[in-house]
Amino acid sequence: AQSVTQLGSHVSVSEGALVLLRCNYSSSVPPYLFWYVQYPNQGLQLLLKYTTGATLVKGINGFEAEFKKSETSFHLTKPSAHMSDAAEYFCAVISGNTPLVFGKGTRLSVIA
Amino acid sequence: GAVVSQHPSRVICKSGTSVKIECRSLDFQATTMFWYRQFPKQSLMLMATSNEGSKATYEQGVEKDKFLINHASLTLSTLTVTSAHPEDSSFYICSAGPGLRETQYFGPGTRLLVL
Repeated sequence: AQSVTQLGSHVSVSEGALVLLRCNYSSSVPPYLFWYVQYPNQGLQLLLKYTTGATLVKGINGFEAEFKKSETSFHLTKPSAHMSDAAEYFCAVISGNTPLVFGKGTRLSVIA
Repeated sequence: GAVVSQHPSRVICKSGTSVKIECRSLDFQATTMFWYRQFPKQSLMLMATSNEGSKATYEQGVEKDKFLINHASLTLSTLTVTSAHPEDSSFYICSAGPGLRETQYFGPGTRLLVL
């Protein structure tokens, strides 16, 4: 069965600093990988996804993620954090025909 | 991106009453929709898979008689919390996509408070 591990339930960065949110997955078949963002009391918004092809995927709001099969990772990065990036971030995987499996989430705080 | 709506966004009800939550895909047809429950500061827990024209598939530990799901059309799924109790208070989120391995789009969520 597939699973997702997000290292760090809470990450705090200074405004303008690099954002790195870690995600590792396990899957017995080639996965589809997603990052979603959730603002307080709202649903989830898709940031980016990897299905096939280029392993570096760019998403909205300046975020990008790189699929590394050898490391079973799909870490999310942004070169320069903005105050508006403060939110909960979820990594998720689809493997085969199963529903999305989510990680536990990482709360990003941005300090002025 | 695609839009999924949920209604109501917030509901407060008395213990013992039933509450219906609607999930609509506004610009695509979805043969499958998913219902999640989210507790404060936690991840989403999949409750059930809603299948158009057939019975929903419930995850282990989710009472199908408690959480009734109806997927009567390709754009609408409903979740009814029957005889709600305070422990059912939570944030309920639905998702839908044009295909099972396609991107899932999430509704804005419904905050249920049972008094």
